[in-house]
Amino acid sequence: SQQGEEDPQALSIQEGENATMNCSYKTSINNLQWYRQNSGRGLVHLILIRSNEREKHSGRLRVTLDTSKKSSSLLITASRAADTASYFCATDLAGGTSYGKLTFGQGTILTVHP
Amino acid sequence: DTGVSQDPRHKITKRGQNVTFRCDPISEHNRLYWYRQTLGQGPEFLTYFQNEAQLEKSRLLSDRFSAERPKGSFSTLEIQRTEQGDSAMYLCASSFGRGTEAFFGQGTRLTVV
Repeated sequence: SQQGEEDPQALSIQEGENATMNCSYKTSINNLQWYRQNSGRGLVHLILIRSNEREKHSGRLRVTLDTSKKSSSLLITASRAADTASYFCATDLAGGTSYGKLTFGQGTILTVHP
Repeated sequence: DTGVSQDPRHKITKRGQNVTFRCDPISEHNRLYWYRQTLGQGPEFLTYFQNEAQLEKSRLLSDRFSAERPKGSFSTLEIQRTEQGDSAMYLCASSFGRGTEAFFGQGTRLTVV
């Protein structure tokens, strides 16, 4: 079963607006990573946030992590049509020999209208 | 920066045939992962290697699937006696060490007809 669940499943906004996607997970993690995937293509790495971090920024991206609630959010500010893609969160579970294996959610489909 | 390279990008095969995919990771990365993604779903873990050792295999990886990473460099994923249910995007990723970013290739899209 999938560890992470993204919310919403689909998001449609106008260019210039902000987009917020949420991810919830079930078990303790070492880190959480966000990826973007354009239709039919590979995944592009956006941000990694470690379990002892609460917030990270990269350009127009802001990621928060709340380990007490087992949730993360990805904020894209001043969105552009080129941001249209599917966004996935992926968790690196704590412990054992699975260190480094990622468990993905089903993704949020973001559509940014020009 | 060559990134993670996968070959072929697309493969159409008849049911019952064998197929093999190749992944070339980022050169200094010691960990290599295979994932499978079906339409509308997130990628699902199949197997991973640390150097040449295969350390974990998912229950999704039936006996028809085998993966190798000779000499800890490139990796191959072979599917024997393909079935229509094997149709999916097969993604390879690599990372350096523990808890670091995993970078993905463009994937191999397999269609079994």
